[in-house]
Amino acid sequence: DAGVTQSPTHLIKTRGQQVTLRCSPKSGHDTVSWYQQALGQGPQFIFQYYEEEERQRGNFPDRFSGHQFPNYSSELNVNALLLGDSALYLCASSLFQGLGNQPQHFGDGTRLSIL
Amino acid sequence: AQSVAQPEDQVNVAEGNPLTVKCTYSVSGNPYLFWYVQYPNRGLQFLLKYITGDNLVKGSYGFEAEFNKSQTSFHLKKPSALVSDSALYLCAVRENPTDKLIFGTGTRLQVFP
Repeated sequence: DAGVTQSPTHLIKTRGQQVTLRCSPKSGHDTVSWYQQALGQGPQFIFQYYEEEERQRGNFPDRFSGHQFPNYSSELNVNALLLGDSALYLCASSLFQGLGNQPQHFGDGTRLSIL
Repeated sequence: AQSVAQPEDQVNVAEGNPLTVKCTYSVSGNPYLFWYVQYPNRGLQFLLKYITGDNLVKGSYGFEAEFNKSQTSFHLKKPSALVSDSALYLCAVRENPTDKLIFGTGTRLQVFP
């Protein structure tokens, strides 16, 4: 049973560029959430997708956007990269229940470095 | 605002000794609480959760946590620490009424042989 998979594992970009990160949820899950984890910090919620729509959004600018596909996989896009966007980007999947009492399952993340 | 606090940046403990990693929370409504562990260059692994019921929750790898409503705490415990338990421990609360998780800043556990 495959867990949450993310690609790529590492990425180096320069300021002003754009990046796309990818995530495949755990088998049987239909909801994908994205988190940003800066060095030495806990993860910060970016947004959540369910039924191919953004359902919730954290305090992140519009430069951060996403997409969910019919097979439940998801992409995170970041435009006009800033040095401060350097972080580990984590994808988490879960089963949408409207109750939130089930744990989210996390991938190993994509380490994004901005030069 | 709903939040989680982990007051200790690092906890050091000798192998075989009991360990405690502290977490306090602030949430409107009933709290849904979670503990995750993160090893270097890896994602988060779920350890245990409190939704309702017994205040003592048992989880993976011998960890347990005690929910205390009056002190708004959810401390993680293990009776006998292993060197392999050394990692970053993250406490999280679900932000009511959404499914968004709010994390603490994490506590780095170092277990010495």
